[in-house]
Amino acid sequence: GAGVSQSPSNKVTEKGKDVELRCDPISGHTALYWYRQRLGQGLEFLIYFQGNSAPDKSGLPSDRFSAERTGESVSTLTIQRTQQEDSAVYLCASSHEASGSTDTQYFGPGTRLTVL
Amino acid sequence: AQSVAQPEDQVNVAEGNPLTVKCTYSVSGNPYLFWYVQYPNRGLQFLLKYITGDNLVKGSYGFEAEFNKSQTSFHLKKPSALVSDSALYFCAVRDRAAGNKLTFGGGTRVLVKP
Repeated sequence: GAGVSQSPSNKVTEKGKDVELRCDPISGHTALYWYRQRLGQGLEFLIYFQGNSAPDKSGLPSDRFSAERTGESVSTLTIQRTQQEDSAVYLCASSHEASGSTDTQYFGPGTRLTVL
Repeated sequence: AQSVAQPEDQVNVAEGNPLTVKCTYSVSGNPYLFWYVQYPNRGLQFLLKYITGDNLVKGSYGFEAEFNKSQTSFHLKKPSALVSDSALYFCAVRDRAAGNKLTFGGGTRVLVKP
């Protein structure tokens, strides 16, 4: 079946502009995650959605970052007033988290954000 | 807090030789452990995971990893490396008691030379 998809694949913006990144999870996956990967580094957790529960926002680096998810489908990550340090690849993942299980997170191809 | 260390930035190995990529972790509770591979300009692909049970876990593309609780390690291994295994490998841990987020190591670049 279809995997996690993200759009756009590349985004170049000017410092101070707002950007919106989109993630379409695997159909039927209840959990959705956003991570950030800076050049040459590992992934940093940003935010996690699980069903109708309150999202875990503990990884968001500042109040310029926010994310929404509609039900168990599409999610958007918004970065306001972008800064050059926001330049990174933003990766989305989804998993089917049933009670008592630990399912694998499957990743999308990412959105490469460049802030000039 | 949970953390993952991949002590080698790069591993070089000749094709046909065994490949090992090291990973150690720290969690307060019992861990779930994962390995992912990233090819250039692509997202992460899942290789294998340890949840419970057998300490030796077998995964995709002939890879395996051994969970060692006493050494808090989860090294990735492949008996005979291929040139196509050249990629960036990430180890990740999830603390069962600390929610669903994964904490990743910094990655190890593997270069398999023909």
